[in-house]
Amino acid sequence: RKEVEQDPGPFNVPEGATVAFNCTYSNSASQSFFWYRQDCRKEPKLLMSVYSSGNEDGRFTAQLNRASQYISLLIRDSKLSDSATYLCVVANYGQNFVFGPGTRLSVLP
Amino acid sequence: ETGVTQSPTHLIKTRGQQVTLRCSSQSGHNTVSWYQQALGQGPQFIFQYYREEENGRGNFPPRFSGLQFPNYSSELNVNALELDDSALYLCASSLQQGVQETQYFGPGTRLLVL
Repeated sequence: RKEVEQDPGPFNVPEGATVAFNCTYSNSASQSFFWYRQDCRKEPKLLMSVYSSGNEDGRFTAQLNRASQYISLLIRDSKLSDSATYLCVVANYGQNFVFGPGTRLSVLP
Repeated sequence: ETGVTQSPTHLIKTRGQQVTLRCSSQSGHNTVSWYQQALGQGPQFIFQYYREEENGRGNFPPRFSGLQFPNYSSELNVNALELDDSALYLCASSLQQGVQETQYFGPGTRLLVL
């Protein structure tokens, strides 16, 4: 079993749709959680950190369920510019990041 | 932009050759991590350097080696290149403090091994 798994995708959604990505991790000692976004042929860029209480940044909402070892990302009112690959990342304090394989999103006009 | 730079941007080598990739970390960051990203996959951790010492290593053979310099810039060296080494190599800099340590990525070096 991979350490971090994500929805396989791709997700093709119309503009304005709400889309949810799921991620599970196997290491119960993991302490830090992130969502990164990666555009085609570019480097990953931090979208948001994920906190135990859940957090929201504009149209983006991240949730963490430590008991189920599950992380989610919700995007509301999708824009064309949201088209990218979304990477779930898990880490222990001071340790390396473990990336999921990514889920590709295409927002269609 | 993250302030993390990498060089070169692209590189073509042949099997058996050696390559050195370079990374300049964001000002004030003391940690550099290197990742390999094959096409269609998420980045895979190679190793991390903290204050010039290796601070963790992923499942990569010894022909992958690195250095971190006093200014916290870093090099990744790969010897005896193989075709499967063709990938995007990413470096990320961070400041180790507390639990929530965010890593900021450079633009990467695309390596093609023929």
